Amino acid sequence: GQQVMQIPQYQHVQEGEDFTTYCNSSTTLSNIQWYKQRPGGHPVFLIQLVKSGEVKKQKRLTFQFGEAKKNSSLHITATQTTDVGTYFCAGTTSGTYKYIFGTGTRLKVLA
Amino acid sequence: GAGVSQSPRYKVAKRGQDVALRCDPISGHVSLFWYQQALGQGPEFLTYFQNEAQLDKSGLPSDRFFAERPEGSVSTLKIQRTQQEDSAVYLCASSPTGAVSYNEQFFGPGTRLTVL
Repeated sequence: GQQVMQIPQYQHVQEGEDFTTYCNSSTTLSNIQWYKQRPGGHPVFLIQLVKSGEVKKQKRLTFQFGEAKKNSSLHITATQTTDVGTYFCAGTTSGTYKYIFGTGTRLKVLA
Repeated sequence: GAGVSQSPRYKVAKRGQDVALRCDPISGHVSLFWYQQALGQGPEFLTYFQNEAQLDKSGLPSDRFFAERPEGSVSTLKIQRTQQEDSAVYLCASSPTGAVSYNEQFFGPGTRLTVL
């Protein structure tokens, strides 16, 4: 069945360093969403990408959707302690209602 | 306005008991999703409703799991004869329209189910 993998599984960075997580789907996606989940919390929507090759920025966060719509990345510039949490990508395929979540990347930021 | 709410927040059940988990989506939201999240894992899709219609239940793990949304607002996820492997956080999410590919999902706080 459809799988969405994320790497790395864990990342520890010093505050101020950059961070990138990669999301790879076994099938072509209609769209991809990114969520952040703080420890003990619930997923919170960050952004959605729909077009092939799309790039979106939110302050220090940059999101990309691959040309083949099978992969995506989230890059955080100059991490802060408030960036701590697990980042999930989630995608759906054409004609379905089902979102497949990635395995997640847990980010720890050391002050 | 109010976000998605879920109740109870925590539920402890003995193996074999039936449980019912409630989700109150954001008022007026058409789409409602249920997910199961095991510790350290990503949310796994269980089922999807568009108003009162259950359009996808492909993620329900067994016939012990049943979901309903009879009036197109509140939804209930019922698990019969709970097993230890059912222990997880059950998340509910709602979206404004039925255009699933174009709407963000608003998640509730989840119900943590522990089966002893």
